[in-house]
Amino acid sequence: ETGVTQSPTHLIKTRGQQVTLRCSSQSGHNTVSWYQQALGQGPQFIFQYYREEENGRGNFPPRFSGLQFPNYSSELNVNALELDDSALYLCASSLEIWTSGASTDTQYFGPGTRLTVL
Amino acid sequence: KQEVTQIPAALSVPEGENLVLNCSFTDSAIYNLQWFRQDPGKGLTSLLLIQSSQREQTSGRLNASLDKSSGRSTLYIAASQPGDSATYLCAVPPGNTGKLIFGQGTTLQVKP
Repeated sequence: ETGVTQSPTHLIKTRGQQVTLRCSSQSGHNTVSWYQQALGQGPQFIFQYYREEENGRGNFPPRFSGLQFPNYSSELNVNALELDDSALYLCASSLEIWTSGASTDTQYFGPGTRLTVL
Repeated sequence: KQEVTQIPAALSVPEGENLVLNCSFTDSAIYNLQWFRQDPGKGLTSLLLIQSSQREQTSGRLNASLDKSSGRSTLYIAASQPGDSATYLCAVPPGNTGKLIFGQGTTLQVKP
């Protein structure tokens, strides 16, 4: 186990609703990244938070938003849900030092939240 | 734009075989490359991380190599076992960002 937990495990919503997914990082990690994985595809980067600030964003619309808290836990919020938002949502935590200006740490993934939008 | 490709998409082998999974990337300016394992419906488990200055990493029966100049990495699994059945994904961070770009994965089935 990686020490990264996510809740809930499964979630069913209808189009137009809003959802909040939660992630608890591995102890001591200061960075969290969120990914969306559609069935049969590799994960797609949504965004990353480093010390409570957004530190990069993928090609996702603004209705995908996030937060990182002082204890480094994190939330992913999705507004106005669409059918295509149905996917496995993964969070990953890491300890980034950024001394060399590069990310060098392994990312540790949680078990994911399976979101189904009807 | 960095693109990551994994071939083959699926692979079925008898137990005990040695096998190689391939990963290629279009932009050689990477800082590291990571291999993951994913069981059906589950999260990702990190197997190996190779820094750009390294050529290979080993963990048990797994060996991953990295050739930045050719944009390729291979994951070698020795003496495969049914428990190795899973999807294997490779991923690279573009430039000095922390985000990972993943390949589509190779789904491996090891038959007893």
